[in-house]
Amino acid sequence: QVHLVESGGGVVQPGTSLRLSCSASQFSFSSYGMHWVRQAPGKGLEWLAFIWYDGSNTHYAESVKGRFTISRDNSKNTLFLQMNNLRAGDTSVYYCARADTTHLDYWGQGTLVTVSS
Amino acid sequence: QTVVTQEPSISVSPGGTVTLTCGLSSGSVSASHYPSWYQQTPGQAPRTLIYSTKTRASGVPDRFSGSILGNKAALTITGAQSEDESHYYCVLYMSRDIYVFGSGTWVTV
Repeated sequence: QVHLVESGGGVVQPGTSLRLSCSASQFSFSSYGMHWVRQAPGKGLEWLAFIWYDGSNTHYAESVKGRFTISRDNSKNTLFLQMNNLRAGDTSVYYCARADTTHLDYWGQGTLVTVSS
Repeated sequence: QTVVTQEPSISVSPGGTVTLTCGLSSGSVSASHYPSWYQQTPGQAPRTLIYSTKTRASGVPDRFSGSILGNKAALTITGAQSEDESHYYCVLYMSRDIYVFGSGTWVTV
């Protein structure tokens, strides 16, 4: 059973940085692309970023391009999301999800990031 | 900017049939957008229902079906059950590894 566990969320001040992690298990992590998706309180899902299975290509939503960076360490079966210059509008639950061709097939339970002074 | 449109809310009677749609603010949805659908109950992570327009994910009941209707992707629930009361989101693949979520539909059973 595919298992994805996000971590690294918390309460941070505006303008600061935070790195989220997604630990993957029960599948060959290095063979799959991975996504980050977020959900603001009471709002819908927003796709943020995608990284190829080998990390050679990354793609971002316009809303986070230049501030967020997706990366991975296949030796540790871990996906990352580096978030810089955080704003109140970034307050959300952040999910990682495995990519299967052109859809997201398995999801983690999410980690909450709150940006507040 | 690409906007993916969904009905904000829809009601269906238990045992009834309901169709949710997923459109584009500019243009038509086609199979080349590889429409996928996700179910999310409050407080839970999303669950994948349908991908590549009409393929059911593993374990998804066959009362859920996907299609293209006119210029939109569609998710039909045939024989709705109380446990189907949830948010439903569509996602479109916009090429070059860019994806866009729809705004979501709340289904009341």
